[in-house]
Amino acid sequence: GAVVSQHPSRVICKSGTSVKIECRSLDFQATTMFWYRQFPKQSLMLMATSNEGSKATYEQGVEKDKFLINHASLTLSTLTVTSAHPEDSSFYICSARGRQFNQPQHFGDGTRLSIL
Amino acid sequence: QKEVEQDPGPLSVPEGAIVSLNCTYSNSAFQYFMWYRQYSRKGPELLMYTYSSGNKEDGRFTAQVDKSSKYISLFIRDSQPSDSATYLCAMGYNQGGKLIFGQGTELSVKP
Repeated sequence: GAVVSQHPSRVICKSGTSVKIECRSLDFQATTMFWYRQFPKQSLMLMATSNEGSKATYEQGVEKDKFLINHASLTLSTLTVTSAHPEDSSFYICSARGRQFNQPQHFGDGTRLSIL
Repeated sequence: QKEVEQDPGPLSVPEGAIVSLNCTYSNSAFQYFMWYRQYSRKGPELLMYTYSSGNKEDGRFTAQVDKSSKYISLFIRDSQPSDSATYLCAMGYNQGGKLIFGQGTELSVKP
């Protein structure tokens, strides 16, 4: 149980392109989803927290106009990297947790984004 | 000082060894403690989840939390080459909130 699917797994695109990443909870309702960024051999850095039906809460230093997050349903959240540039190249990972007490976060397999 | 400190390794052990992984933290408000395993180019996989102090065992894995010392551990018995991965500790203030991750320890189990 507790499967989180993230798509696509790999994206290579030109500078200036906008890229959308999807995160789905397959077998549970995710009231909260989290988006992380991870650089090589480093830990996960939380970018934003999104609750179903409300605006995302961004961490300090994360540009909300650059990284658009939508959590329109209890099973789907999307992250759109707008006008991506090479410095946005990274490994982006989502996680989701259910509504029940003491539910831990379950992670997707990440999206490796490369901007040329 | 980072909120969560974890030795990045790398740690190399022979197959069958007992592995001890540790994290220390500075904020006594943390209540939830987790260990995740991350294989290369994959997302983290939840291994152990503990609320407050105490021990928890699951197969070859044992998690310990000592809140008085602000120290958590993960033990892996009879380690296997398939255990080779990066192990991340994570902590949270409440069950719904964000997690603070350690840097991750890279483990290699040699056959």
